[in-house]
Amino acid sequence: KQEVTQIPAALSVPEGENLVLNCSFTDSAIYNLQWFRQDPGKGLTSLLLIQSSQREQTSGRLNASLDKSSGRSTLYIAASQPGDSATYLCAVIDTGANSKLTFGKGITLSVRP
Amino acid sequence: GAGVSQSPRYKVAKRGQDVALRCDPISGHVSLFWYQQALGQGPEFLTYFQNEAQLDKSGLPSDRFFAERPEGSVSTLKIQRTQQEDSAVYLCASSLAAQGSRNQPQHFGDGTRLSIL
Repeated sequence: KQEVTQIPAALSVPEGENLVLNCSFTDSAIYNLQWFRQDPGKGLTSLLLIQSSQREQTSGRLNASLDKSSGRSTLYIAASQPGDSATYLCAVIDTGANSKLTFGKGITLSVRP
Repeated sequence: GAGVSQSPRYKVAKRGQDVALRCDPISGHVSLFWYQQALGQGPEFLTYFQNEAQLDKSGLPSDRFFAERPEGSVSTLKIQRTQQEDSAVYLCASSLAAQGSRNQPQHFGDGTRLSIL
Protein backbone atom coordinates (compact mmCIF):
# COMPACT_ATOMS: atom_id res chain seq x y z
CA LYS A 1 0.00 0.00 0.00
CA GLN A 2 1.36 3.42 -0.96
CA GLU A 3 2.35 5.68 1.92
CA VAL A 4 3.27 9.34 1.54
CA THR A 5 5.27 11.09 4.26
CA GLN A 6 5.93 14.78 4.79
CA ILE A 7 8.35 15.87 7.48
CA PRO A 8 8.38 18.15 9.41
CA ALA A 9 4.69 18.74 10.11
CA ALA A 10 5.25 22.46 10.61
CA LEU A 11 7.85 25.02 9.59
CA SER A 12 8.33 28.69 10.46
CA VAL A 13 10.70 30.91 8.47
CA PRO A 14 11.40 34.64 8.16
CA GLU A 15 10.21 36.47 5.08
CA GLY A 16 12.60 36.35 2.14
CA GLU A 17 14.09 32.97 2.93
CA ASN A 18 14.35 30.27 0.27
CA LEU A 19 12.97 26.99 1.54
CA VAL A 20 12.52 23.35 0.61
CA LEU A 21 9.58 21.14 1.55
CA ASN A 22 10.16 17.41 1.39
CA CYS A 23 7.88 14.53 0.41
CA SER A 24 8.64 10.82 0.28
CA PHE A 25 6.60 7.87 -0.97
CA THR A 26 7.08 4.14 -0.48
CA ASP A 27 6.04 2.73 -3.88
CA SER A 28 7.92 4.18 -6.86
CA ALA A 29 5.33 2.87 -9.37
CA ILE A 30 3.56 6.20 -9.64
CA TYR A 31 1.85 7.89 -12.56
CA ASN A 32 2.43 11.41 -11.32
CA LEU A 33 2.95 13.53 -8.24
CA GLN A 34 1.15 16.75 -7.38
CA TRP A 35 1.81 19.50 -4.88
CA PHE A 36 -1.21 21.29 -3.42
CA ARG A 37 -1.73 24.31 -1.22
CA GLN A 38 -4.52 24.42 1.37
CA ASP A 39 -5.55 27.60 3.18
CA PRO A 40 -7.53 27.31 6.45
CA GLY A 41 -11.16 26.37 5.81
CA LYS A 42 -10.56 26.01 2.10
CA GLY A 43 -10.14 23.24 -0.42
CA LEU A 44 -6.94 22.33 -2.20
CA THR A 45 -5.32 24.36 -4.95
CA SER A 46 -3.08 22.47 -7.35
CA LEU A 47 0.35 24.08 -7.56
CA LEU A 48 2.42 21.75 -9.72
CA LEU A 49 1.96 18.35 -11.35
CA ILE A 50 5.01 16.28 -12.30
CA GLN A 51 4.51 13.31 -14.58
CA SER A 52 6.54 10.20 -13.79
CA SER A 53 8.72 10.76 -16.87
CA GLN A 54 9.62 14.30 -15.78
CA ARG A 55 12.25 15.48 -13.33
CA GLU A 56 10.87 18.88 -12.40
CA GLN A 57 8.23 21.52 -12.98
CA THR A 58 8.38 25.26 -12.37
CA SER A 59 5.74 27.90 -11.81
CA GLY A 60 6.82 31.38 -10.77
CA ARG A 61 8.70 31.15 -7.46
CA LEU A 62 7.89 27.45 -7.11
CA ASN A 63 9.96 24.55 -8.38
CA ALA A 64 9.10 20.92 -7.76
CA SER A 65 11.47 18.05 -8.43
CA LEU A 66 10.81 14.32 -8.61
CA ASP A 67 13.21 11.42 -8.08
CA LYS A 68 10.95 8.46 -8.66
CA SER A 69 13.57 5.78 -8.07
CA SER A 70 14.34 7.05 -4.58
CA GLY A 71 10.72 7.90 -3.81
CA ARG A 72 11.31 11.59 -3.14
CA SER A 73 10.00 14.95 -4.23
CA THR A 74 10.86 18.45 -3.10
CA LEU A 75 9.01 21.73 -3.42
CA TYR A 76 11.33 24.72 -3.52
CA ILE A 77 9.88 28.13 -2.68
CA ALA A 78 12.07 31.10 -3.55
CA ALA A 79 11.99 34.39 -1.65
CA SER A 80 9.17 33.36 0.68
CA GLN A 81 6.42 35.87 1.50
CA PRO A 82 3.84 36.01 4.32
CA GLY A 83 1.19 35.18 1.71
CA ASP A 84 2.87 31.81 1.22
CA SER A 85 1.71 30.79 4.70
CA ALA A 86 -0.52 27.73 4.23
CA THR A 87 -0.43 23.94 4.42
CA TYR A 88 1.38 22.25 1.54
CA LEU A 89 0.41 18.69 0.63
CA CYS A 90 1.95 16.30 -1.82
CA ALA A 91 0.01 13.46 -3.39
CA VAL A 92 0.69 10.64 -5.85
CA ILE A 93 -1.36 8.65 -8.32
CA ASP A 94 -0.24 5.04 -8.46
CA THR A 95 0.06 3.19 -11.76
CA GLY A 96 -2.46 0.45 -12.37
CA ALA A 97 -5.09 2.16 -10.29
CA ASN A 98 -7.79 4.67 -11.00
CA SER A 99 -6.88 8.32 -10.69
CA LYS A 100 -7.22 8.51 -6.91
CA LEU A 101 -4.68 10.61 -5.07
CA THR A 102 -2.79 9.31 -2.02
CA PHE A 103 -1.85 12.27 0.17
CA GLY A 104 0.71 13.04 2.82
CA LYS A 105 -0.39 14.81 5.99
CA GLY A 106 0.97 18.13 4.81
CA ILE A 107 3.48 20.69 6.07
CA THR A 108 2.07 23.83 7.69
CA LEU A 109 4.26 26.74 6.66
CA SER A 110 4.35 30.06 8.47
CA VAL A 111 6.32 32.91 6.91
CA ARG A 112 7.03 35.65 9.47
CA PRO A 113 7.08 39.29 8.27
CA GLY B 1 -17.35 31.12 -10.76
CA ALA B 2 -16.69 27.95 -12.67
CA GLY B 3 -15.10 25.97 -9.85
CA VAL B 4 -16.28 22.92 -7.93
CA SER B 5 -19.15 23.86 -5.64
CA GLN B 6 -20.04 21.97 -2.47
CA SER B 7 -23.01 22.44 -0.19
CA PRO B 8 -23.64 22.90 2.60
CA ARG B 9 -20.35 24.42 3.77
CA TYR B 10 -21.09 23.38 7.33
CA LYS B 11 -23.35 20.67 8.65
CA VAL B 12 -24.07 19.81 12.27
CA ALA B 13 -26.05 16.67 12.98
CA LYS B 14 -26.87 14.56 15.99
CA ARG B 15 -25.48 11.07 16.18
CA GLY B 16 -27.77 8.67 14.40
CA GLN B 17 -29.13 11.17 11.88
CA ASP B 18 -28.70 10.79 8.14
CA VAL B 19 -26.89 13.52 6.17
CA ALA B 20 -26.51 14.29 2.46
CA LEU B 21 -23.63 16.29 1.03
CA ARG B 22 -23.75 17.74 -2.48
CA CYS B 23 -21.02 18.30 -5.05
CA ASP B 24 -21.46 20.27 -8.26
CA PRO B 25 -18.35 19.63 -10.40
CA ILE B 26 -16.91 21.80 -13.12
CA SER B 27 -19.09 21.54 -16.21
CA GLY B 28 -17.86 18.87 -18.60
CA HIS B 29 -15.60 17.15 -16.12
CA VAL B 30 -15.77 13.40 -16.55
CA SER B 31 -14.15 12.27 -13.31
CA LEU B 32 -15.44 13.02 -9.80
CA PHE B 33 -13.84 12.05 -6.52
CA TRP B 34 -14.86 12.23 -2.87
CA TYR B 35 -12.23 12.49 -0.14
CA GLN B 36 -12.49 12.63 3.65
CA GLN B 37 -10.10 14.88 5.58
CA ALA B 38 -9.82 14.49 9.34
CA LEU B 39 -8.35 17.33 11.40
CA GLY B 40 -4.60 17.60 10.89
CA GLN B 41 -4.53 14.86 8.27
CA GLY B 42 -4.29 14.69 4.51
CA PRO B 43 -7.40 13.85 2.51
CA GLU B 44 -8.21 10.16 2.14
CA PHE B 45 -9.91 8.71 -0.92
CA LEU B 46 -13.52 7.56 -0.56
CA THR B 47 -14.94 6.92 -4.03
CA TYR B 48 -14.54 7.69 -7.74
CA PHE B 49 -17.01 8.22 -10.58
CA GLN B 50 -16.42 8.31 -14.30
CA ASN B 51 -19.54 10.01 -15.62
CA GLU B 52 -22.40 8.21 -13.84
CA ALA B 53 -20.48 4.99 -13.22
CA GLN B 54 -19.01 4.44 -9.76
CA LEU B 55 -15.76 2.72 -10.69
CA ASP B 56 -14.14 2.57 -7.26
CA LYS B 57 -15.74 2.67 -3.84
CA SER B 58 -12.94 0.96 -2.00
CA GLY B 59 -12.36 3.90 0.34
CA LEU B 60 -15.87 4.08 1.78
CA PRO B 61 -15.38 3.24 5.48
CA SER B 62 -18.62 1.34 6.00
CA ASP B 63 -21.91 0.46 4.38
CA ARG B 64 -23.38 3.56 6.05
CA PHE B 65 -21.66 5.60 3.32
CA PHE B 66 -23.29 5.79 -0.09
CA ALA B 67 -22.50 7.98 -3.10
CA GLU B 68 -24.29 8.54 -6.37
CA ARG B 69 -23.97 10.58 -9.56
CA PRO B 70 -27.08 9.58 -11.48
CA GLU B 71 -26.78 11.92 -14.46
CA GLY B 72 -23.03 12.16 -14.62
CA SER B 73 -22.82 15.67 -13.20
CA VAL B 74 -23.95 16.50 -9.63
CA SER B 75 -22.97 13.95 -6.99
CA THR B 76 -24.35 13.29 -3.52
CA LEU B 77 -22.54 11.61 -0.65
CA LYS B 78 -24.97 10.21 1.90
CA ILE B 79 -24.06 9.03 5.38
CA GLN B 80 -26.66 7.06 7.28
CA ARG B 81 -26.88 6.69 11.05
CA THR B 82 -23.99 9.10 11.58
CA GLN B 83 -21.35 8.41 14.23
CA GLN B 84 -18.98 10.83 15.95
CA GLU B 85 -16.04 9.40 14.01
CA ASP B 86 -17.72 10.63 10.80
CA SER B 87 -16.85 14.21 11.82
CA ALA B 88 -14.47 15.51 9.16
CA VAL B 89 -14.25 17.73 6.11
CA TYR B 90 -15.60 16.03 3.00
CA LEU B 91 -13.92 17.24 -0.18
CA CYS B 92 -15.10 16.75 -3.71
CA ALA B 93 -12.81 17.01 -6.73
CA SER B 94 -13.40 16.85 -10.44
CA SER B 95 -11.12 16.30 -13.40
CA LEU B 96 -11.49 16.64 -17.12
CA ALA B 97 -9.69 13.33 -17.59
CA ALA B 98 -11.23 9.93 -17.94
CA GLN B 99 -9.46 7.02 -16.29
CA GLY B 100 -7.06 6.50 -19.15
CA SER B 101 -5.59 9.97 -19.01
CA ARG B 102 -4.50 10.87 -15.52
CA ASN B 103 -2.30 13.88 -16.10
CA GLN B 104 -5.12 16.36 -15.78
CA PRO B 105 -5.11 17.96 -12.33
CA GLN B 106 -7.97 17.44 -9.93
CA HIS B 107 -9.85 20.61 -8.97
CA PHE B 108 -11.18 20.69 -5.44
CA GLY B 109 -14.16 22.35 -3.84
CA ASP B 110 -13.95 24.07 -0.45
CA GLY B 111 -15.50 21.06 1.27
CA THR B 112 -18.31 20.41 3.70
CA ARG B 113 -17.30 20.48 7.36
CA LEU B 114 -19.42 17.84 9.10
CA SER B 115 -19.73 17.80 12.87
CA ILE B 116 -21.57 14.97 14.60
CA LEU B 117 -22.69 15.73 18.15
